Amino acid sequence: AQSVTQLGSHVSVSEGALVLLRCNYSSSVPPYLFWYVQYPNQGLQLLLKYTTGATLVKGINGFEAEFKKSETSFHLTKPSAHMSDAAEYFCAVSDRRDSSYKLIFGSGTRLLVRP
Amino acid sequence: GAVVSQHPSWVICKSGTSVKIECRSLDFQATTMFWYRQFPKQSLMLMATSNEGSKATYEQGVEKDKFLINHASLTLSTLTVTSAHPEDSSFYICSARLGQGYQPQHFGDGTRLSIL
Repeated sequence: AQSVTQLGSHVSVSEGALVLLRCNYSSSVPPYLFWYVQYPNQGLQLLLKYTTGATLVKGINGFEAEFKKSETSFHLTKPSAHMSDAAEYFCAVSDRRDSSYKLIFGSGTRLLVRP
Repeated sequence: GAVVSQHPSWVICKSGTSVKIECRSLDFQATTMFWYRQFPKQSLMLMATSNEGSKATYEQGVEKDKFLINHASLTLSTLTVTSAHPEDSSFYICSARLGQGYQPQHFGDGTRLSIL
């Protein structure tokens, strides 16, 4: 069964610093990969996705992620953190072989941005 | 585009009450909608997958009679928590996806359910 691991339940960075949020999946067949952001008491907003093609994916708000098959990873980065980036980030996968298109979510990483 | 509206955003009610939550795709037709439950500071747990015009598919451990799902049209799915009890208190989130090819899920803003 698919699973997703997000290392670090909390990540704290200074404003202007690099943001790196880690995500690894466990599947012999690379799944569809997603990053979502959740602000307090809100639903999830799609940041970016990887389905096929170029392995470096650019998303909204300056975020990007790189699919690395050899490392079974899909880490999320942003060169310079803003205070507004403070939120919960979820990595999610969907099995390409599953026609239900269900998402399996990681446990989430809370990003804290220090002034 | 791809806006999903969820209503109500917050519900407080007495134990034993049934509560209905609506999920609407406002600018696209959603052949599939999903219902999730999220406990405080935890990830989303899929409860069920809802396809328009057919019965919902529930995940293991989710009580079908407790959480009634109806997906009567391509833009509306409802979740009814029947005879709600305090342990049903949670944050419920729906999502919807377009039917063609692989498209990501788009999420509503969630419903905070508090049972007294």
